[in-house]
Amino acid sequence: EPEVTQTPSHQVTQMGQEVILRCVPISNHLYFYWYRQILGQKVEFLVSFYNNEISEKSEIFDDQFSVERPDGSNFTLKIRSTKLEDSAMYFCALRAGSYPYEQYFGPGTRLTVT
Amino acid sequence: DAKTTQPTSMDCAEGRAANLPCNHSTISGNEYVYWYRQIHSQGPQYIIHGLKNNETNEMASLIITEDRKSSTLILPHATLRDTAVYYCIVSSGYSTLTFGKGTMLLVSP
Repeated sequence: EPEVTQTPSHQVTQMGQEVILRCVPISNHLYFYWYRQILGQKVEFLVSFYNNEISEKSEIFDDQFSVERPDGSNFTLKIRSTKLEDSAMYFCALRAGSYPYEQYFGPGTRLTVT
Repeated sequence: DAKTTQPTSMDCAEGRAANLPCNHSTISGNEYVYWYRQIHSQGPQYIIHGLKNNETNEMASLIITEDRKSSTLILPHATLRDTAVYYCIVSSGYSTLTFGKGTMLLVSP
């Protein structure tokens, strides 16, 4: 099972600040996802990223969000100007195996916007 | 929206088999049934998937009805560590995952 780590485990920020959440896949993978889960709610898809381009995004993933893989290893989610409603667990996942693919999730980053 | 229906919660005694049902009556011919679980706000964990044949791995068994409109995830000998929310998800195998509310399984001593 591929291992995915995420940093930080918990991030507290003030409204309007920028945050960067990081995902580090241990092995070499090309297809990544970000999901989020607001406390007590469902896990929601944000964006998928393949070969350094956005493959698919949800309505949640507006202009305040961006993703990149700056050094060919880390995979980041940036929120430019955080809002209170951005408080959630953010999960990175990677696609692995052969078709039909499985997704393996990281432990998540808890983002708290005050 | 999720294309599956699951009971909100279930209980199981430790050591007994846990049988988690899922209805997916609108599943398409090329869609797979996936099961994931989430232990107390940790990242979702992949369990198993299948198309139409029954599947078994080291974690669980998946029984899919012949008409593919429903399935059952079986944990043969549930332990306290199996307490989690279990998600049944229908997916093409390429697409993103659409999570529903899942079934909260509580395994008791």
